Amino acid sequence: EVQLVESGGGLVQPGGSLRLSCAASGFSFSDHYMDWVRQAPGKGLEWIGRVTYKADSYTTHYVASVKGRFTISRDDSKNSLFLQMNSLKAEDTAVYYCARRAPRDSLDLWGPGTMVTVSS
Amino acid sequence: DIQLTQSPSFLSASVGDRVTITCRASQGIGSFLAWYQQKPGKAPKLLIYLASTFQGGVPSRFSGSGSGTDFTLTISSLQPEDFAAYYCQQLDTYPLTFGGGTKVEVK
Repeated sequence: EVQLVESGGGLVQPGGSLRLSCAASGFSFSDHYMDWVRQAPGKGLEWIGRVTYKADSYTTHYVASVKGRFTISRDDSKNSLFLQMNSLKAEDTAVYYCARRAPRDSLDLWGPGTMVTVSS
Repeated sequence: DIQLTQSPSFLSASVGDRVTITCRASQGIGSFLAWYQQKPGKAPKLLIYLASTFQGGVPSRFSGSGSGTDFTLTISSLQPEDFAAYYCQQLDTYPLTFGGGTKVEVK
């Protein structure tokens, strides 16, 4: 089955760190750019960032609000995507989704999401 | 950053209604716009990419149009399963951005 499944969410204190994972299956993971998108409770979608594939040097792109705090990486040998989140703030509280970039520019496959709560 | 302004934010409609949602970009993005549907507690689902191309399996009552800065998503005859939130996303320029969303509710 073609799917993405996130894990690693939970409760973390402000200033803390958390690492999210996204396990891909059923497709050639290494052939796709991969994105992270988040959604704060009751709010809209926010694109966080992207990691390209090997042919594009695994280049990363981020939204300004997380640049320098979050790092996106991937392990193609394990069909896995990661989001390392440091210096977490209350406003980072959200459901975090990983998503696959389709060849014709869109996000065509999403995981079910994992909840991250930043609170003391 | 490119801002996407969706309107309306909320829409009350009845089954069978024709519904139109607009998405305006703060600068030209060609046709690099996608539309997603999201139901409560679920991940977004891709409906349309490159402004007007259907994703496989999407009912033909959904259509998209536009280019440059102005885009629309139309549902020709609203069905019970279409009550949901809809988001546009530009994929032209980093950082990629989403519109604020349109919630389609039962009238």
